[in-house]
Amino acid sequence: DGGITQSPKYLFRKEGQNVTLSCEQNLNHDAMYWYRQDPGQGLRLIYYSQIVNDFQKGDIAEGYSVSREKKESFPLTVTSAQKNPTAFYLCASSIGGGARLQYFGPGTRLTVL
Amino acid sequence: KNEVEQSPQNLTAQEGEFITINCSYSVGISALHWLQQHPGGGIVSLFMLSSGKKKHGRLIATINIQEKHSSLHITASHPRDSAVYICAVRSYNTDKLIFGTGTRLQVFP
Repeated sequence: DGGITQSPKYLFRKEGQNVTLSCEQNLNHDAMYWYRQDPGQGLRLIYYSQIVNDFQKGDIAEGYSVSREKKESFPLTVTSAQKNPTAFYLCASSIGGGARLQYFGPGTRLTVL
Repeated sequence: KNEVEQSPQNLTAQEGEFITINCSYSVGISALHWLQQHPGGGIVSLFMLSSGKKKHGRLIATINIQEKHSSLHITASHPRDSAVYICAVRSYNTDKLIFGTGTRLQVFP
């Protein structure tokens, strides 16, 4: 089955700790995206990557970092510099860049205590 | 003011009712997406359209580029349609998606 997986579904961390969220896709998509969702707000773009070994900042990249060493993987690290890390994080991918039809993963809910 | 506005924010319906969710946007776009987010959080793309109308099963999406407005219709609604429906536009200038805040739909039997 082709799709996007994110793990874990729920993640708890203590304040001040870095945490890495996993995103893997087997759709052979070139482009991958990380979004953050907060109550009452639309999804906001954190980082995106249109090709392996390349990525760009989105609208709210501060306090986050990513890597794209493999086509199928795009992990997101939430660093201690992120002021309000508690949120629902969604990973997506698409065949090409430019916000074509995107396929979303199930999401990871991060709670920082 | 948000660049993508959806109405209503919340919607309740009885099973079988015809549902309409509206989306208005203020930027130039090259495409508009309708997405469905289930209570567990996963998001499914329903439609991507740049003109006219698309239909898939009981779902119909329309767009009026001149009026910068799109509607999502659900015919013969069912409790399993209960979800958050999100409108997103691909900005012509930035080529990125701009998301609305969603419409929460609950359909009761």
